[in-house]
Amino acid sequence: NAGVTQTPKFQVLKTGQSMTLQCAQDMNHEYMSWYRQDPGMGLRLIHYSVGAGITDQGEVPNGYNVSRSTTEDFPLRLLSAAPSQTSVYFCASSYSKGQGFYNSPLHFGNGTRLTVT
Amino acid sequence: GQQLNQSPQSMFIQEGEDVSMNCTSSSIFNTWLWYKQDPGEGPVLLIALYKAGELTSNGRLTAQFGITRKDSFLNISASIPSDVGIYFCAGQNYGGATNKLIFGTGTLLAVQP
Repeated sequence: NAGVTQTPKFQVLKTGQSMTLQCAQDMNHEYMSWYRQDPGMGLRLIHYSVGAGITDQGEVPNGYNVSRSTTEDFPLRLLSAAPSQTSVYFCASSYSKGQGFYNSPLHFGNGTRLTVT
Repeated sequence: GQQLNQSPQSMFIQEGEDVSMNCTSSSIFNTWLWYKQDPGEGPVLLIALYKAGELTSNGRLTAQFGITRKDSFLNISASIPSDVGIYFCAGQNYGGATNKLIFGTGTLLAVQP
């Protein structure tokens, strides 16, 4: 199993450009999420999905859109990139979303390092 | 947004030393998790704690779920160079509608051979 795969690994954007960060998992996980990691801030939740067709906002959703058309994929879209979105982005998934999840901790991808100039 | 207070922020130790780090919250969690992040990679789960007062080991790692449910501790014994990385605590309340984790700010560990 590949686990959680994120592409690209690195990306440089100019302010105002748009792009999509890809995330795919092959573990048949219901739950998928996006985090951003900034120095001294830990990991902060951007958006999450508890199943195909269902998405919701996390802690820092502004400037980002998501969709979940399939169980496997959960892309993150930046519609108009800003320097404040320079960060490392992690996609994470787990088998179960609610009760019983405690046996299915989050599995993380290796991240996408995004720089917005 | 809510974040957990994790300390220390960084540690520089000699190989063979023991390491302790902790995480505190203003609110209660019913699950505490500890992750390690190696350079250039995503966090990997080390230990999960599901019950207040629980003490769990994973090799040289030992973690405890505080009895107040507002804190957790991670100890690493006899550190080795491959222990280098960033350690994150995370709190979670299962039974809700989501699997959201609240992460600490991380402890950077450097081990001198």
